Amino acid sequence: AQSVTQPDIHITVSEGASLELRCNYSYGATPYLFWYVQSPGQGLQLLLKYFSGDTLVQGIKGFEAEFKRSQSSFNLRKPSVHWSDAAEYFCAVGPYNQGGKLIFGQGTELSVKP
Amino acid sequence: DAEITQSPRHKITETGRQVTLACHQTWNHNNMFWYRQDLGHGLRLIHYSYGVHDTNKGEVSDGYSVSRSNTEDLPLTLESAASSQTSVYFCASSAGGRVNEQFFGPGTRLTVL
Repeated sequence: AQSVTQPDIHITVSEGASLELRCNYSYGATPYLFWYVQSPGQGLQLLLKYFSGDTLVQGIKGFEAEFKRSQSSFNLRKPSVHWSDAAEYFCAVGPYNQGGKLIFGQGTELSVKP
Repeated sequence: DAEITQSPRHKITETGRQVTLACHQTWNHNNMFWYRQDLGHGLRLIHYSYGVHDTNKGEVSDGYSVSRSNTEDLPLTLESAASSQTSVYFCASSAGGRVNEQFFGPGTRLTVL
């Protein structure tokens, strides 16, 4: 069965430091991959997506993610974190043969220290 | 601008009552989804629809129902609310086709006493 694992439930980084949030998926073929961000009390907003092509994808708010087929990973990165990046981040996989459904990881909560 | 809205944003109800949560999208998307979000579980799919008069069960559908009478709306009904259904509920929509990004509503916080 397809699944998504975000190994880190909570991460704290200092403002200005770099960030990497991990995401591993289990799926037999190349999936469609997404990262969403959820600010407190808000819905989910799409940060970036990977469908095919270049394995390094750029998103909004200075985020990027790299698809590594050999590691079944799609880690999210940002070179310099801002206090406004504090939020919960969800990785999701969209199996191509399941009509648009997404499978979400459990989320990683990011705290930013001043 | 196109959007997806949910109402109410907050709801308190009693055990055993029927509750309906509204979801309305102006994207003209064929696909609509209902999720619940609970601590430690991420988002879990309740029901989804690929078009008018189409509905499907997700992984946590027991105690919930949906109906799709037009493209814009997918109301979620809790037939007899239970305390275990206290949660935050999100509606989402996406264009038809194999896989597309989903656009999310702001959520409804439901408390069942």
